[in-house]
Order: sequence, then structure tokens, then C-alpha cells
Amino acid sequence: GAVVSQHPSRVICKSGTSVKIECRSLDFQATTMFWYRQFPKKSLMLMATSNEGSKATYEQGVEKDKFLINHASLTLSTLTVTSAHPEDSSFYICSASGEGETQYFGPGTRLLVL
Amino acid sequence: QKEVEQDPGPLSVPEGAIVSLNCTYSNSAFQYFMWYRQYSRKGPELLMYTYSSGNKEDGRFTAQVDKSSKYISLFIRDSQPSDSATYLCAMSEGGNQFYFGTGTSLTVIP
Repeated sequence: GAVVSQHPSRVICKSGTSVKIECRSLDFQATTMFWYRQFPKKSLMLMATSNEGSKATYEQGVEKDKFLINHASLTLSTLTVTSAHPEDSSFYICSASGEGETQYFGPGTRLLVL
Repeated sequence: QKEVEQDPGPLSVPEGAIVSLNCTYSNSAFQYFMWYRQYSRKGPELLMYTYSSGNKEDGRFTAQVDKSSKYISLFIRDSQPSDSATYLCAMSEGGNQFYFGTGTSLTVIP
């Protein structure tokens, strides 16, 4: 099956710093990548959708200057949380879609901002 | 009305039971139907993927799609404690917009 990796799996940072999370599709070309946020025991919340080479489309209420998404190639997307604050602490999950029929999820990144 | 409705549970069954998980939807244009399993603190894992109507079986898992009723199901036979997880349904028309259920929490008791 298709494999999506995320790095790092866990990150702890100080308030005010920026954190970059990488999402890679390892064995297929991802035309579209998605970024989600999930709070404990809650549903996935779609943050943004990105197509390779294009600007990301952000969901309502998601600050695009806060959560910078880059999808520079068909196998790599990055999410940068800029000037992170404790309220940004969450579980961030990426997913990738090749031909739009289904999504394959990464293992997630746990962010803790102190 | 939400695009996809899924009972959040929690659902608790004894080991060996048959589990039935369900989702209903309102958009008759949905063609692609997925079931994901998510363990705590992990990303969702694709379990079953079905195009259009019908049944699909993979080991102990069977996915059913009834487009006339706008209803999809996932059956788990001979449930095991390792099946304890949250199960998410998802669907799309094709393209880049996917609609997820809220997830059903399942516990299989040894």
C-alpha cells in the first residue's frame, strides 16, 4: 500500500519559535496533500489542501500566515507553524492523494509548545 | 445537515463478536468510499476502499455500499482486542474534496 511519512514524530519547542513538519509520499506521486489538526479524542480538522506547485487552499478560520504550507514537489509538503504558542500544541497529520480517489495518511506529528 | 453522519459510539463488544459500523450520507454524487482505522496517537490507516456500490471483503473486514439508501457499512468478523480503535468513514465524488465522518470508537473486550 501507499506509504506517507512525517518528520518529526514529536517536537517540543519554546513559545515564539517556528516549527517545520515534513510530509513525504514514499512510493507514489502525491498530486494533492492535506494537512489536518486533531485534538485529543476529537475528529480530524482539515486545515488546508495543497496541490504541487500551487498555493495552498486554507479552510475558514485557519491563518495562512501562521501555518505556512509549501508543496514544492510531488513527494514533499511542509507545514511551518510560525511563532508557535501553547495553543498551537496539537497533533498534526498530513495525508496525500495521488489521483484523487483516496487519501493515505502519515503517522502524525505531536507538537508541544511550552 | 452534515454531508456524512457517523455515530460516535463508544461501542463495546466482547472478543469474537461481529461488529457493524455505519455511516449515512446526503450527497448522491459520492462515488468513492473509504474506511480508516485510527489508533490513539497515530495517523488513520486505510482499511477498505470501495468504488460505487457493492461489497468488498478483505480478511475479517467487509465493506458494503448501498447507494440507493446512501448508507455504507463496515463489518468486522471475529473481532479481536487489537481491533480496538476509532473507525472513520470517508467519501468523495472524485477530485480533491473528501468528507469524513466523526469516527466511531470501538473497544473489543477480551
